[in-house]
Amino acid sequence: GAGVSQSPSNKVTEKGKDVELRCDPISGHTALYWYRQSLGQGLEFLIYFQGNSAPDKSGLPSDRFSAERTGGSVSTLTIQRTQQEDSAVYLCASSGDSHQPQHFGDGTRLSIL
Amino acid sequence: GENVEQHPSTLSVQEGDSAVIKCTYSDSASNYFPWYKQELGKRPQLIIDIRSNVGEKKDQRIAVTLNKTAKHFSLHITETQPEDSAVYFCAASSGSARQLTFGSGTQLTVLP
Repeated sequence: GAGVSQSPSNKVTEKGKDVELRCDPISGHTALYWYRQSLGQGLEFLIYFQGNSAPDKSGLPSDRFSAERTGGSVSTLTIQRTQQEDSAVYLCASSGDSHQPQHFGDGTRLSIL
Repeated sequence: GENVEQHPSTLSVQEGDSAVIKCTYSDSASNYFPWYKQELGKRPQLIIDIRSNVGEKKDQRIAVTLNKTAKHFSLHITETQPEDSAVYFCAASSGSARQLTFGSGTQLTVLP
């Protein structure tokens, strides 16, 4: 596709449930990033993938958060045992490589009841 | 790690006036400074960026300046229009840390 695609666009779930968020980066982009944006706040880095290198997980807030990037393309962010403080917009970005500008998807708005 | 401070948090200007948003960063190793515009409910969109080997960059009505010594950079929008109304975020990244560290955002309102 022409841009970064994320799904679902909205997700409402009950506290304690697991959720999976998907990101399909721009074709050919080797770098992929996940960020979290809480209401009215800036973006908080979560995790970064570059090609086949080990991901940089330094931004993940707890061990309930994990992410995969299979085949160097699509990425899935998983949040286990969701808590109300996990409610936020989860944004994915990709870039041609780690030295290139990052382009964002529309995000997934996650609401934990 | 990197820390980015952004001011002001809100800014209102009359249509046609200029707007300036300022950011400071803490990590002297940071070498890439993008600015994003985010309209309500939309994705952040890159509007301009600058690397540390350049002091100023301009694209039509938008310009960014960088002062490496003082560790601050600014966004300048001239001849503002109502469609410039949005939240603007500055960010910084270094060669070793590819992820962006964002400022807290500036809500710009251009009054017709």
